[in-house]
Amino acid sequence: DIQMTQSPSSMSVSLGDTVTITCRASQDVGIYVNWFQQKPGKSPRRMIYRATNLADGVPSRFSGSRSGSDYSLTISSLESEDVADYHCLQYDEYPPTFGGGTKLELK
Amino acid sequence: EVKLVESGGGLVQPGRSLKLSCAASGFNFNDYWMGWVRQAPGKGLEWIGEINKDSSTINYTPSLKDKFTISRDNAQNTLYLQMSKLGSEDTAIYYCALGSSIAYWGQGTLVTVSS
Repeated sequence: DIQMTQSPSSMSVSLGDTVTITCRASQDVGIYVNWFQQKPGKSPRRMIYRATNLADGVPSRFSGSRSGSDYSLTISSLESEDVADYHCLQYDEYPPTFGGGTKLELK
Repeated sequence: EVKLVESGGGLVQPGRSLKLSCAASGFNFNDYWMGWVRQAPGKGLEWIGEINKDSSTINYTPSLKDKFTISRDNAQNTLYLQMSKLGSEDTAIYYCALGSSIAYWGQGTLVTVSS
């Protein structure tokens, strides 16, 4: 199975920060990486699809990028509603695999 | 509006079976692959499997292939997950998912395996 190594596992943040979360794929997965946001007690919500595309209704402060096998989610000017868990997913090869998740916490 | 509503979760004894359902609305169910993802308490997400539009192709994560069966009823716009030989490791929230890239998620249904 393809491993998606997500870092950091947790992050202490302040409102207004620029936050970057990264997933490193153990094999080439092309553009087939999505990012999901999950708030406590809620189901995940797709934020980014195919590595760089903003999903419908997602604020423009969210962006996705790729550099080789590294995929990043960046949140510019963090707002309180962005404090959540974030997960990456590769769906290039079966079985699709998720990163371990990143928990954002306010300082 | 896309809606995915899971049901069928609850407390089940080890070794028993359980069948989950996912009622879909707000989109043409017949046109989409559908799948299941689970999340153990306090843990990350685990992809279980998916089924294509006409049920001719079903893919599973290898470690779960022998105990989980995915099916669908396009006439009823419903997706199913049959789970057998359940163990404590299967305690999780089970989510219904739309599409291979998981564009939408259901609200989840909690399955607790305990005696």
